[in-house]
Amino acid sequence: AQKITQTQPGMFVQEKEAVTLDCTYDTSDPSYGLFWYKQPSSGEMIFLIYQGSYDQQNATEGRYSLNFQKARKSANLVISASQLGDSAMYFCAMRERRSGANNLFFGTGTRLTVIP
Amino acid sequence: DADVTQTPRNRITKTGKRIMLECSQTKGHDRMYWYRQDPGLGLRLIYYSFDVKDINKGEISDGYSVSRQAQAKFSLSLESAIPNQTALYFCATSDLAGEVDTQYFGPGTRLTVL
Repeated sequence: AQKITQTQPGMFVQEKEAVTLDCTYDTSDPSYGLFWYKQPSSGEMIFLIYQGSYDQQNATEGRYSLNFQKARKSANLVISASQLGDSAMYFCAMRERRSGANNLFFGTGTRLTVIP
Repeated sequence: DADVTQTPRNRITKTGKRIMLECSQTKGHDRMYWYRQDPGLGLRLIYYSFDVKDINKGEISDGYSVSRQAQAKFSLSLESAIPNQTALYFCATSDLAGEVDTQYFGPGTRLTVL
């Protein structure tokens, strides 16, 4: 079973509007972390935001916020006031605490295009 | 200067050749990782190291080997490259701080095996 599912291969948003990128996860580990990364066309992976499974509040970092719904196992990324520079691939990832490897399990990504 | 660097950035090689990808970091992190990314897929873990003397296999280690020469250096080798190892390779580092242990990635190495 996929640990991370991103069902939107591509999304479009008008500049200055908000957009939500979906992410659902599957784990039986009570302790886990959820991450979002941005991959622009240049290829690098840029860390955006983190949410811990025990965090009571949704994480926020500037224009990025994470809509964490634990019971539904979803961790959607919300980007407010979209900018042209937000056009990129976005990956949701999860780390399970019980995993000795500490590795991240990635989804297949969502390509966001911001329209002027 | 970038905190995590990878060399080379691009490489084209032939089937059967040995190739080494190098990663260096100035973040002072103990933990280092190698991932590969295939088109349409997320990243998958190849090897990881939590310390200079610690090497562990990841999800897809077959056909690869690694060396942790120093805290700051972690290299990935393909002993005999094959075409299905054509991919984008990322090095990452992390340092357990609190509970987050965020991984920071290098710029990637695009490898093509002909």
